[in-house]
Amino acid sequence: DTAVSQTPKYLVTQMGNDKSIKCEQNLGHDTMYWYKQDSKKFLKIMFSYNNKELIINETVPNRFSPKSPDKAHLNLHINSLELGDSAVYFCASSHGGRGTDTQYFGPGTRLTVL
Amino acid sequence: GESVGLHLPTLSVQEGDNSIINCAYSNSASDYFIWYKQESGKGPQFIIDIRSNMDKRQGQRVTVLLNKTVKHLSLQIAATQPGDSAVYFCAESKGGGNKLTFGTGTQLKVEL
Repeated sequence: DTAVSQTPKYLVTQMGNDKSIKCEQNLGHDTMYWYKQDSKKFLKIMFSYNNKELIINETVPNRFSPKSPDKAHLNLHINSLELGDSAVYFCASSHGGRGTDTQYFGPGTRLTVL
Repeated sequence: GESVGLHLPTLSVQEGDNSIINCAYSNSASDYFIWYKQESGKGPQFIIDIRSNMDKRQGQRVTVLLNKTVKHLSLQIAATQPGDSAVYFCAESKGGGNKLTFGTGTQLKVEL
């Protein structure tokens, strides 16, 4: 069974559209994250939620809105998609919200904006 | 600003040889360091970690060395195997916070 799962794996869409990526973890973790990996493989945190509460919100355009309906799910909604949003988005989770809590990553969602 | 960087973008080694992947960090306040492995088409996978009060930590075929004086971190892989081919990232955090700052990644290629 997949510990951290994301859907869809691939997402191709037109500029200006609104799309969502879903993430679920079955590890019983309290903290979940969204990362963006660009074409040069650079990985950067976007958001972190602990027990449905936002605890990290990096400098991300407000077109990106995370939503955590429960602590096992963290979805990412993106409005008015732009070409620069093309990237691989990774969801991750950890037991707690400390830096020493190992983060487990999902398989990624490759978003292509045309 | 803080940054975590890698010396070499690509490292090619022969199967069976030892691999050493290096990482430099600039934030002296960083107190926790992690190495992740990312295979093609997959998410990063935790390999090994080390806290700033340690200089060395060993796992199965992997060793992480931390030199706080020069702000340098390395990952050593013994008897490198084809399955070790991947991109390796170092990451750091500080002050107990869960924000990880990742380095730019090193592509390890294992030649048969």
